[in-house]
Amino acid sequence: GDSVTQMEGPVTLSEEAFLTINCTYTATGYPSLFWYVQYPGEGLQLLLKATKADDKGSNKGFEATYRKETTSFHLEKGSVQVSDSAVYFCALSVGGANSKLTFGKGITLSVRP
Amino acid sequence: DTGVSQNPRHKITKRGQNVTFRCDPISEHNRLYWYRQTLGQGPEFLTYFQNEAQLEKSRLLSDRFSAERPKGSFSTLEIQRTEQGDSAMYLCASSSNLSGNTIYFGEGSWLTVV
Repeated sequence: GDSVTQMEGPVTLSEEAFLTINCTYTATGYPSLFWYVQYPGEGLQLLLKATKADDKGSNKGFEATYRKETTSFHLEKGSVQVSDSAVYFCALSVGGANSKLTFGKGITLSVRP
Repeated sequence: DTGVSQNPRHKITKRGQNVTFRCDPISEHNRLYWYRQTLGQGPEFLTYFQNEAQLEKSRLLSDRFSAERPKGSFSTLEIQRTEQGDSAMYLCASSSNLSGNTIYFGEGSWLTVV
């Protein structure tokens, strides 16, 4: 079945450090890929998405590129801020607009001043 | 646009009791989803509605769980004869073609079964 694997956490970084959070997937079809973020006390929010190979999703300084050859969708940010502290979930959906999301376990990012 | 609204936000119940959660999706979103999230895990799909029709159910949704969306607007998720293993966050989400099929989540309803 479909699955998403995220690197083990938590991750603690200093402000302005470079961030990479790894995500790989297994899918029976041709998935769309997503990163969701959950800030403390808030609901899940879509951070970025990519719907086909080599697409790059970007938002709020975060980027992720859909790599079909390595089945990966790693999240990167050049300079993290304290306000980026949150839980990050990689997810996929297969089969179009009606499709459910399959999530990874999530990883907690803490950014210290 | 007020977002996806869920209530109650927190519920503590005794084992064996029934509980019901309500979800109000974003106005005019025709698709509505329920997910369950336990500590340290990502959300897991439970069920999905398009308008009032329940189109898919996960095998996680045992016979004690039932979801309805009678008029294609709000939805309820009922858990009968709760067990301690039902303790989790229950997330509702909605989407439509008008939102570019982006799935928007509510803040969730925490259930603790004691």
